Order: sequence, then C-alpha cells, then structure tokens
Amino acid sequence: QVQLVQSGAEVKKPGSSVKVSCQASGGTFSTYAIGWVRQAPGQGLEWMGGIIPIFGTSNYAQRFQGRVTITADKSTTTAYMELSSLRSEDTAVYYCARASLPAAMSNWFDPWGQGTLVTVSS
Amino acid sequence: QSVLTQPPSASGTPGQRVTISCSGSSSNIGSNAVHWYQQLPGTAPKLLIYINNQRPSGVPDRFSGSKSGTSASLAISGLQSEDEADYYCAAWDDSLNGLWVFGGGTKLTVL
Repeated sequence: QVQLVQSGAEVKKPGSSVKVSCQASGGTFSTYAIGWVRQAPGQGLEWMGGIIPIFGTSNYAQRFQGRVTITADKSTTTAYMELSSLRSEDTAVYYCARASLPAAMSNWFDPWGQGTLVTVSS
Repeated sequence: QSVLTQPPSASGTPGQRVTISCSGSSSNIGSNAVHWYQQLPGTAPKLLIYINNQRPSGVPDRFSGSKSGTSASLAISGLQSEDEADYYCAAWDDSLNGLWVFGGGTKLTVL
C-alpha cells in the first residue's frame, strides 16, 4: 500500500521561499506522477503542477509558472515542491498526491499525503 | 473561480438520496474522465469515484457517479451522518500543456 508522508508545517516571511517534501513508501516511485495541490483556508483544491520522476520533467499550472519548482529524488523516493516569492495569499495546506496509474500526469490521484500547512506572515 | 462548477452546498436527511452536479467544458469533462474526492473535516482528500463511475475498493456502493457530455454528477443514496464532508470533482484539462482542474467543492450537510 503506497503511503505519502509530507514534511511539517512552516511559517515563512513574505518574499521568502518554502520547500515541502513528500516521501513515498510501499510502492513503485519513479514511474508514477506526483502532483501538488494546494488548499487555501476555507477554499477549494488547486493543482499547482507535477512530475514523473523517471522522466524528470515537470508540468506546472500557468499561474504558478516561474514561482514553483517541482523536483524528485529517485534515490530517496521523495518529491519536493518549492514555492518562491511568497505572499500572504500563499497561506494554504499543500498536498502531494500520486497518480493511480504510471507514466502519465493525467491519471487520477490516489493516495494523497497528509498535507503541509504553510503560513506566510510578517 | 474554479474551472469546474459545483453547487457550494447540498443537504439531506439520513436515508435520503442526494446528488451533486459538476459542470465543465469540452477541454476537460467533455474529453476526459471525471473523478470525485471526499474530504472529511480536517483531513486530506480521499478518492471516492474514478473514471466517471468506478468505486475504489472500500467505498460503499451508496456512492455512484455518472457523466454526460460536459457534465457529471455524484449521487449518494441512503445518506448517513458520516457522509457529511466536502466533495470535489476533478478532470484533466487538455488546454495548454494539460492541467488538472477541480470544482469549487460542495459541502454536504446531513440534517
């Protein structure tokens, strides 16, 4: 059974960066896309982008282009999401999720990580 | 403003049947499968329905999904108090380089 465990909560200043990790265990890592989805307080889900580790290529939502970098380390089966130039509106819970089938970003997500709260405040 | 449109709220009494709609366009629901996620309070989303109407193991058959054209719906029959949660539809969108789009979520209240 695949499990995704994310890093802990972060408090960041406006203008800084945050890097959230997502470690996978219990299944194949490299061939399955990992996506990142965020949820602002009281709001819905928003896809930020994803990566298929074996290809090493990332796909980003247009609104985050230039601010988000998604990477993966196959040796530690860990994916990372780094968001820069943080502003208060980036305060949210950030989730990683694994695609259900290999080799494509367009397969539905299952399972999800537990979420990481990132608070941006001066 | 979410790409997929869901009603913000729905409600029903125990035992009732409720449906939640999800409306999209030709680039997402019209050409790709719809998936549904359930988010219980304070927890991560959980897959509820995949490829329009498939239930993962462990999901009760009270939950069902359907899709027609650029719209989809989730039905919950025999409503139970533990079904009180937020429900999100999602679909892959073929715009640009491709991206995931979600509905704004529907908060289901069991009266």
